[in-house]
Amino acid sequence: QSVLTQPPSASGTPGQRVTISCSGSNSNIGSSTVNWYQRLPGTAPKLLILRNNQRPSGVPDRFSGSKSGASASLAISGLQSEDEADYYCATWDDSLHGVVFGGGTKLTVL
Amino acid sequence: EVRLVESGGAVILPGGSLRLSCRASGFTFDDSAMHWVRQPPGKGLEWLSLINWDGAMTSYADSVKGRFTISRDNSKASLYLQMDSLRTEDTAFYFCARDLGPGGGSTLDSWGQGTLVTVSS
Repeated sequence: QSVLTQPPSASGTPGQRVTISCSGSNSNIGSSTVNWYQRLPGTAPKLLILRNNQRPSGVPDRFSGSKSGASASLAISGLQSEDEADYYCATWDDSLHGVVFGGGTKLTVL
Repeated sequence: EVRLVESGGAVILPGGSLRLSCRASGFTFDDSAMHWVRQPPGKGLEWLSLINWDGAMTSYADSVKGRFTISRDNSKASLYLQMDSLRTEDTAFYFCARDLGPGGGSTLDSWGQGTLVTVSS
């Protein structure tokens, strides 16, 4: 059972917009910034969104993040087949004194 | 180019010990905190441990506290994870990752390709 809650799966057709939610508590998302990671099949995880809504260099602006209270979300617009991957949210947890990940969401592009 | 290369993964008996290494290049190693993260087969990412830039501060997940020890050698640009009292549930790919800052947080901006640890009798 992960500290952060994500839906196990999400799907969309090419060109669509999909969102992935991440729910936590006051000790984690409610008091820290949220990062999102993408894991394409067979590759290392990659930082996709940092500090709630910032994109590292090279990440397309189709990817965006937001946070409100103890929840966060990742939005992907103009869905492409190469977006098919597992997506994880993560943040710092003050109670656990460590990093916590969501359980991951497997995105399928239909 | 930032590069992190893990090594040391193996098949090990339950109760055994193993030491993982992560060799860093392409950046000033002692500018960054470092983390270990694992992913069991078919499951999600699990954060294990972090160490700040000079090794003075460490933190562990409850699942490995008291069994795993993180350390670093800045002179060798290397990160280590000593794993003792291994259990079958420790079977996973183990990744080292660089933190965006020196003190440690949750922004892991570069990851290695991982090394596989299999704990089995």
